[in-house]
Amino acid sequence: ETGVTQSPTHLIKTRGQQVTLRCSSQSGHNTVSWYQQALGQGPQFIFQYYREEENGRGNFPPRFSGLQFPNYSSELNVNALELDDSALYLCASSLGSRTQETQYFGPGTRLLVL
Amino acid sequence: AQSVTQLGSHVSVSEGALVLLRCNYSSSVPPYLFWYVQYPNQGLQLLLKYTSAATLVKGINGFEAEFKKSETSFHLTKPSAHMSDAAEYFCAVSDSTGNQFYFGTGTSLTVIP
Repeated sequence: ETGVTQSPTHLIKTRGQQVTLRCSSQSGHNTVSWYQQALGQGPQFIFQYYREEENGRGNFPPRFSGLQFPNYSSELNVNALELDDSALYLCASSLGSRTQETQYFGPGTRLLVL
Repeated sequence: AQSVTQLGSHVSVSEGALVLLRCNYSSSVPPYLFWYVQYPNQGLQLLLKYTSAATLVKGINGFEAEFKKSETSFHLTKPSAHMSDAAEYFCAVSDSTGNQFYFGTGTSLTVIP
């Protein structure tokens, strides 16, 4: 059984650029959630995708967008990067969209915006 | 909106001593509650979760937590700390009406030999 994987592991961008982060779900999972974890903080929920549809969204602006593909892998896109977007981005997959389902987290992508 | 408060951003215990990490939630309806652990440079791993079954929940690595509705608390305990328990611990809450998930700010546990 393959766990949740994320790519790339690290990324450096400049303010105003766009970035795409990728996530492969654990085998058999149809739901992916994305989180932003700033240094020294807890993860903050960005959004969730269930069967290729956005199924819930946290308090993030529209420049944070996502996709889920038929194989349930997912992308997080961030446009017009700001310095405050520097953080660890975590992807989590689960079997089912209900929030009480156990989420399995990937190791994260660390994004630095200069 | 749901929220969780973790009291104490840093906790130090001696090896073999009791571990107690505190979490209080705010919710107008019975929530689902979780404890996750994060080791350096790794993602989060679920320790245990409460989903309105038994109020005392047992998790992995000897951890357990008790849901106390009257105190709106879900504190994490382990009878005897091990060096390998040193990590960041996060309490999280979700509700049954939406697809939102809220983490606390975390508690860093140090185990002193």
